[in-house]
Amino acid sequence: DGGITQSPKYLFRKEGQNVTLSCEQNLNHDAMYWYRQDPGQGLRLIYYSQIVNDFQKGDIAEGYSVSREKKESFPLTVTSAQKNPTAFYLCASSIDNWFGTGNTEAFFGQGTRLTVV
Amino acid sequence: AQSVTQLDSHVSVSEGTPVLLRCNYSSSYSPSLFWYVQHPNKGLQLLLKYTSAATLVKGINGFEAEFKKSETSFHLTKPSAHMSDAAEYFCVVTLTDSWGKLQFGAGTQVVVTP
Repeated sequence: DGGITQSPKYLFRKEGQNVTLSCEQNLNHDAMYWYRQDPGQGLRLIYYSQIVNDFQKGDIAEGYSVSREKKESFPLTVTSAQKNPTAFYLCASSIDNWFGTGNTEAFFGQGTRLTVV
Repeated sequence: AQSVTQLDSHVSVSEGTPVLLRCNYSSSYSPSLFWYVQHPNKGLQLLLKYTSAATLVKGINGFEAEFKKSETSFHLTKPSAHMSDAAEYFCVVTLTDSWGKLQFGAGTQVVVTP
């Protein structure tokens, strides 16, 4: 079945530690995205990538880093510089980078819940 | 700039009664609008989308939404709520004339009582 796979489902991080969240898609989508979800705040864009070997900062990129070496993979690293990383992280993809063309939609993974311990 | 406001953070309905989730947007350009649903600790699933075709949009699971440009609204409705409709719902807007970065509303939590 085609889709987006995020792993792990739950992740615990110690203070000062970097952790990497995995996102893999087999939909052959060009564009991929990382969102952070906090209660009552909707989703906020961290990073996005429109094509392999290219990515752009979103609204809340500080303390995060990404790479896009393969079309199907877009891992997110939460660095020690992110002071409040406890949140639910969602990865998404779309056929291209134009959500508004009417012939594309965003597909979401099942999320990773990160907790600082 | 564009933004989206969901007017209710929580909605409680009885099973079998209508559901109304309200969404207003502001956009300088012709928007595309979406409703997504999220069940607890899950990803988001697309319910329906408006992209400048018919103003009344039908989605999955009996949901529909009407785009009203004069009111800058895109309210989501369902004639009869089911227990499985209990979830969080997000109204989303994006521009059509540039890279379509999604703007999410804060979400509406729907509770369905027997």
